[in-house]
Amino acid sequence: AQTVTQSQPEMSVQEAETVTLSCTYDTSENNYYLFWYKQPPSRQMILVIRQEAYKQQNATENRFSVNFQKAAKSFSLKISDSQLGDTAMYFCAFMYNYGQNFVFGPGTRLSVLP
Amino acid sequence: EAEVAQSPRYKITEKSQAVAFWCDPISGHATLYWYRQILGQGPELLVQFQDESVVDDSQLPKDRFSAERLKGVDSTLKIQPAELGDSAMYLCASAVSPTYEQYFGPGTRLTVT
Repeated sequence: AQTVTQSQPEMSVQEAETVTLSCTYDTSENNYYLFWYKQPPSRQMILVIRQEAYKQQNATENRFSVNFQKAAKSFSLKISDSQLGDTAMYFCAFMYNYGQNFVFGPGTRLSVLP
Repeated sequence: EAEVAQSPRYKITEKSQAVAFWCDPISGHATLYWYRQILGQGPELLVQFQDESVVDDSQLPKDRFSAERLKGVDSTLKIQPAELGDSAMYLCASAVSPTYEQYFGPGTRLTVT
């Protein structure tokens, strides 16, 4: 069975600074997708960024980028120039087999401080 | 922008009662997921539909939970009878191939008393 681990239950960062959230996963699959989702307080979950395992290039979306280390089964999220609106729970997720076997990690609560 | 709709947003029910949640996915999204999220934890998949067919319900407590998506569009998740431990947020998400990026609804917060 696939598992996703997020070892940092809570983190904080000063506004405008950079923060990195960690995620590791365990799988025997070779082709899969990894995601970071954001869940702001009392608001719905939204996709932040996606990475296909077959792509060596790390995904980037504006201030958000990932460091994907396939051999190490590591998938960290870097948020640059942190903003107050980045305060949220962040979930790492794993998926393979055409949308099946979706597994979420336990989440990291990020607080951006003014 | 198209969104996933869920209702009700909040539900309070007594244990042993029946409760139902409704989800309307984004038009054209063939894949629909129901999750349960306990406060402070990650979502746990309950059931996944591809069109009207169940493709994964391995984590669904089938003695009390049921889910259907009769016409392959909207979906209903039912709990009967509800137990205190069912208190949680129930999330619905839809997705489309080939990326299977999930779009989530606002959720239904269930409190069982």
